[in-house]
Amino acid sequence: DAGVIQSPRHEVTEMGQEVTLRCKPISGHDYLFWYRQTMMRGLELLIYFNNNVPIDDSGMPEDRFSAKMPNASFSTLKIQPSEPRDSAVYFCASSSTGQVKNIQYFGAGTRLSVL
Amino acid sequence: GEDVEQSLFLSVREGDSSVINCTYTDSSSTYLYWYKQEPGAGLQLLTYIFSNMDMKQDQRLTVLLNKKDKHLSLRIADTQTGDSAIYFCAERYGGYNKLIFGAGTRLAVHP
Repeated sequence: DAGVIQSPRHEVTEMGQEVTLRCKPISGHDYLFWYRQTMMRGLELLIYFNNNVPIDDSGMPEDRFSAKMPNASFSTLKIQPSEPRDSAVYFCASSSTGQVKNIQYFGAGTRLSVL
Repeated sequence: GEDVEQSLFLSVREGDSSVINCTYTDSSSTYLYWYKQEPGAGLQLLTYIFSNMDMKQDQRLTVLLNKKDKHLSLRIADTQTGDSAIYFCAERYGGYNKLIFGAGTRLAVHP
């Protein structure tokens, strides 16, 4: 398997613009996680899905952030409107219930810069 | 609430052993993990330990678990420059599938 695939790898946008980050989990995995990493706050869990259903979105910072998982092989994280403080690296990860060890596999991340 | 703490920085000489420490709070954690993040990359699983074990060894890596003190450590023997990275400790939160990560320890290896 190719692993968790995220796109784009880098995104530069201007304040106020809409940003959409994309993630393709590992085939067969039923959990998908979105994280944000910054120097100040470290690695934060934003939201996670099980079988395409959002389970816990308590980490989503504000209403400007939304996430969807329309099918088992695709998820998006949208920020509208974007602000400079949203600049961070956003990671997607997936895992499988069938695997007792519950290992999460991470994508390479999307580095977002909001000017 | 759940929390995982680790020191932020460790500097070692090439060839020495590195020991990265972590404390966690959820006594019901079934698995504990060490992830490695190299510059510009995502997190990669290094190793994990099941909560009924005290120790796990995997080549240059040794994981020690003290359940009583909720303390986890990662020892890297014969540390190399390629080991320079950020190391994250994580615990599985209760019966859920989410992991709680520490802030990460930045390991710097110098000649």
